[in-house]
Amino acid sequence: EAGVVQSPRYKIIEKKQPVAFWCNPISGHNTLYWYLQNLGQGPELLIRYENEEAVDDSQLPKDRFSAERLKGVDSTLKIQPAELGDSAVYLCASSFSLAGGFTDTQYFGPGTRLTVL
Amino acid sequence: AQSVTQLGSHVSVSEGALVLLRCNYSSSVPPYLFWYVQYPNQGLQLLLKYTTGATLVKGINGFEAEFKKSETSFHLTKPSAHMSDAAEYFCAVSATPRNAGGTSYGKLTFGQGTILTVHP
Repeated sequence: EAGVVQSPRYKIIEKKQPVAFWCNPISGHNTLYWYLQNLGQGPELLIRYENEEAVDDSQLPKDRFSAERLKGVDSTLKIQPAELGDSAVYLCASSFSLAGGFTDTQYFGPGTRLTVL
Repeated sequence: AQSVTQLGSHVSVSEGALVLLRCNYSSSVPPYLFWYVQYPNQGLQLLLKYTTGATLVKGINGFEAEFKKSETSFHLTKPSAHMSDAAEYFCAVSATPRNAGGTSYGKLTFGQGTILTVHP
């Protein structure tokens, strides 16, 4: 079974440029997460989707970050414009959730390492 | 709000020695607890988790952890370290379905990680 797929794996851009990351979750997983991992830190949740709905985006900096999961499968996270401080690893994870709150284990992709110059 | 503290950002052991990685959590009620491992340039892989039942949890690669409610701890151990265990380890918590409010259930809060080095 294929795991969580992310692309690109590495991205180098200049500040003020836009950038987008793509994630394809494990087949059958209805819940998708985007995490931000700064160097030497643990991941921090940016946004969580259940199917097409963003159920928790409280940590997403909405002035420059946006995300979508139009068909409830793959997802795109965008930054526009990028700042130097956005240099980090962006992780995508997926899990299976049932109505009523049960959420199974989260499986993580390899991440996209963003460098902003 | 929940938080996780991992004591020691770097731990170094000799091959064959005991591995002990410490994790303490702060939560008003007992949460679900997890240990993840991250190898260089890879995503996080679940080692083990505690939800309910037996407080001593066994995971992959010979690791285990014990949930101690009185100490609010969930330390990770392995009796004998192997070179392949060298990686970064993250402890995480999440609210249980019973205690989660609104959208918080399923949200993982991670510690800052502990880098494990294994010497020959």
